[in-house]
Amino acid sequence: DVKVTQSSRYLVKRTGEKVFLECVQDMDHENMFWYRQDPGLGLRLIYFSYDVKMKEKGDIPEGYSVSREKKERFSLILESASTNQTSMYLCASSLWGEYGHQPQHFGDGTRLSIL
Amino acid sequence: AQTVTQSQPEMSVQEAETVTLSCTYDTSESDYYLFWYKQPPSRQMILVIRQEAYKQQNATENRFSVNFQKAAKSFSLKISDSQLGDAAMYFCAYRSASQAGTALIFGKGTTLSVSS
Repeated sequence: DVKVTQSSRYLVKRTGEKVFLECVQDMDHENMFWYRQDPGLGLRLIYFSYDVKMKEKGDIPEGYSVSREKKERFSLILESASTNQTSMYLCASSLWGEYGHQPQHFGDGTRLSIL
Repeated sequence: AQTVTQSQPEMSVQEAETVTLSCTYDTSESDYYLFWYKQPPSRQMILVIRQEAYKQQNATENRFSVNFQKAAKSFSLKISDSQLGDAAMYFCAYRSASQAGTALIFGKGTTLSVSS
């Protein structure tokens, strides 16, 4: 089974801190994704990466950056955390499917609170 | 831009009964993929079922089936013989077939409760 592991299930940080959320997958997937999940808004894409050192902005990249130095690891960085970034963060990975049918596999999520 | 709409924020069903969750989407593309994901209270998103737009036959996975109406841009999920373990939030999602690396576009979700 594919395993996508997020480093923390719960995290509490302070406004202005630099926050790192880590995600590791064990199935050699090319694609990795960071989503944010908020009640009533569903999942919104922050960033994704289709290869090492490659990244693409999603729908809501402002205030975030990402790093993919190794294929199995995709990090989300909150440069200067703000209270409106309190949310559930979900990491996902998938194979590069020629016709886009490859499903995404998700981690358990990190519930981040910014105080 | 593509959008996905789930018009039912909450649904409820009795054990052993059947329930249908609605999903509509908007796209100008002719080739794409549609998915239903389940997110139980444990939080991990799990793929329930997927449908290729070029296939007319509706996808089926055990008690889960879809009613895919391409012309109407509708993709509903039917859960038969509902079980307590089906209680979760369900997300409908769309992915373009033209760009294999792109992310899913999700609806806002439907919370399904199952009562005994």
